[in-house]
Amino acid sequence: SQTIHQWPATLVQPVGSPLSLECTVEGTSNPNLYWYRQAAGRGLQLLFYSIGIDQISSEVPQNLSASRPQDRQFILSSKKLLLSDSGFYLCAWSVTGGSYEQYFGPGTRLTVT
Amino acid sequence: AQSVTQPDIHITVSEGASLELRCNYSYGATPYLFWYVQSPGQGLQLLLKYFSGDTLVQGIKGFEAEFKRSQSSFNLRKPSVHWSDAAEYFCAVGVSGTYKYIFGTGTRLKVLA
Repeated sequence: SQTIHQWPATLVQPVGSPLSLECTVEGTSNPNLYWYRQAAGRGLQLLFYSIGIDQISSEVPQNLSASRPQDRQFILSSKKLLLSDSGFYLCAWSVTGGSYEQYFGPGTRLTVT
Repeated sequence: AQSVTQPDIHITVSEGASLELRCNYSYGATPYLFWYVQSPGQGLQLLLKYFSGDTLVQGIKGFEAEFKRSQSSFNLRKPSVHWSDAAEYFCAVGVSGTYKYIFGTGTRLKVLA
């Protein structure tokens, strides 16, 4: 069966520091991968999605970036965090050419101080 | 423009009572529709999905949803709510050809003992 992992689970970082969040999917090949952010009391905002290695689309202009170094690994990064980057970050995957349903990881709670 | 509306931000029901959460969408083609549940501090879990066929779909945890094309709605129902159903519920539409979702803003459910 497929599983999705995210780490770290919780992160507290000062303003201006770098960020690296990791997402890994097991049990499937060539998944579509997604990064979402959920600010406190708000809905989900799609940040990036990827339909393959070197195929990453950015949905919202921001100081975040995403990379996909391996087929089932998706990294969310920032060179300098802002206070507004605080939130709950969710990674998700879906089957390429499949029926669209997305499966979510457990999330990373990021607090920028 | 494509959109998903969940008109109720908060809903409170008593344990054992029936539940209906509303979802309205605006989408030109036949939509792929989803309901997710999110417990505090956790990722999203897929409750059910509609792609085609029978307009009444059954999901996990005793939930069901009915697709009504004429009303552009996909409301989630449960005949008898349990205290463990307290969570936030998100409706989503899959955007054809993109593997992306449009999410509603969510409905937070509170269950009274």
